[in-house]
Amino acid sequence: DSGVTQTPKHLITATGQRVTLRCSPRSGDLSVYWYQQSLDQGLQFLIQYYNGEERAKGNILERFSAQQFPDLHSELNLSSLELGDSALYFCASSKGGQNYGYTFGSGTRLTVV
Amino acid sequence: EDQVTQSPEALRLQEGESSSLNCSYTVSGLRGLFWYRQDPGKGPEFLFTLYSAGEEKEKERLKATLTKKESFLHITAPKPEDSATYLCAVQAGDYKLSFGAGTTVTVRA
Repeated sequence: DSGVTQTPKHLITATGQRVTLRCSPRSGDLSVYWYQQSLDQGLQFLIQYYNGEERAKGNILERFSAQQFPDLHSELNLSSLELGDSALYFCASSKGGQNYGYTFGSGTRLTVV
Repeated sequence: EDQVTQSPEALRLQEGESSSLNCSYTVSGLRGLFWYRQDPGKGPEFLFTLYSAGEEKEKERLKATLTKKESFLHITAPKPEDSATYLCAVQAGDYKLSFGAGTTVTVRA
């Protein structure tokens, strides 16, 4: 157990629907990162939050949004889902600041049918 | 934009057959280079962080080294349990990690 908790582990939904993925960071970590991993793309950075504030944005679609709450857990919202959104979504956390690596959760596997 | 290229894409080894994985990178202001191990369907697991050229780190059968343009992950006398995808990532000024596509290592008994 890495200490980073992601729920749900699996999600199957239809095109056009909206889902919410949840992440609880490791105790003491202030930064949360979201990554998407598909078979042909590798790990792609989506967005980072630090202590409730958005810190950096990657290749995140406009249909996707995220937030980090006062208790530091984070949610990634995916809307108007398309078949191509099927992927593993990982959350990672770190203490923040330079030179800290991430601790990853076990991921949420999203299947859009 | 940060670029990380890993080679080879796949590596098949016999148990005990040592080999090396390469990670070449282009980044402005490297803060750290990270190696992760990922098993199928699981999250990446942290292995090493390297901060400056010439630095080396070891863990069991794995040894990571860093130059100004690339990093190597050496696997010495691998065992079947070393089979996994090994991911390299660089961290620059904005603290996010940019990952390479990975090298999938298969070790046969």
